[in-house]
Amino acid sequence: GIQVEQSPPDLILQEGANSTLRCNFSDSVNNLQWFHQNPWGQLINLFYIPSGTKQNGRLSATTVATERYSLLYISSSQTTDSGVYFCAVELGETSGSRLTFGEGTQLTVNP
Amino acid sequence: GAVVSQHPSRVICKSGTSVKIECRSLDFQATTMFWYRQFPKKSLMLMATSNEGSKATYEQGVEKDKFLINHASLTLSTLTVTSAHPEDSSFYICSAPRTTLGPQHFGDGTRLSIL
Repeated sequence: GIQVEQSPPDLILQEGANSTLRCNFSDSVNNLQWFHQNPWGQLINLFYIPSGTKQNGRLSATTVATERYSLLYISSSQTTDSGVYFCAVELGETSGSRLTFGEGTQLTVNP
Repeated sequence: GAVVSQHPSRVICKSGTSVKIECRSLDFQATTMFWYRQFPKKSLMLMATSNEGSKATYEQGVEKDKFLINHASLTLSTLTVTSAHPEDSSFYICSAPRTTLGPQHFGDGTRLSIL
């Protein structure tokens, strides 16, 4: 099956710093999503980004489908950004297929 | 607002109890829903695909008789953990696609603790 690798596995930042999280995947995908899992377990959908670049406030993401990777940028990090960030990809011609998750990046932002 | 509702959010019960978890699509019909399981400090792993009006498709290694899935309507899928034991304690979360081309939407998850 498809492999999804995220890096780094752990990241510790000072408040205000910028960071880049990476997601590599082993096959062509039709869907890629970035999630933030908060301490209560809720998965917050950050981006639906099978290709291209999107921005939402301090967050932005870029997926280069032909090279099979995606990047999540966090600028001016805040303590509330702490948590686990997951990349998940979906195979198949249409959405509605299973998502395969990476192992996640544990982000800690210190005040 | 939320597009997928999952209930209950937390369950604590004794070993041997059966526990039912509901996953509802709030303003759309979902012929397919997905059930994931997450152990502490681990990633989410797909357990099964719930298909409206037909049998669920289980991933390798997932016990069908332990984790019963019913998708009786276009807006509701249920996962029943039968005769639960402490090793079934985990975080269970469901998802559904709202459109044929678009993101998967997740419920808030259910934290199951079996004593």
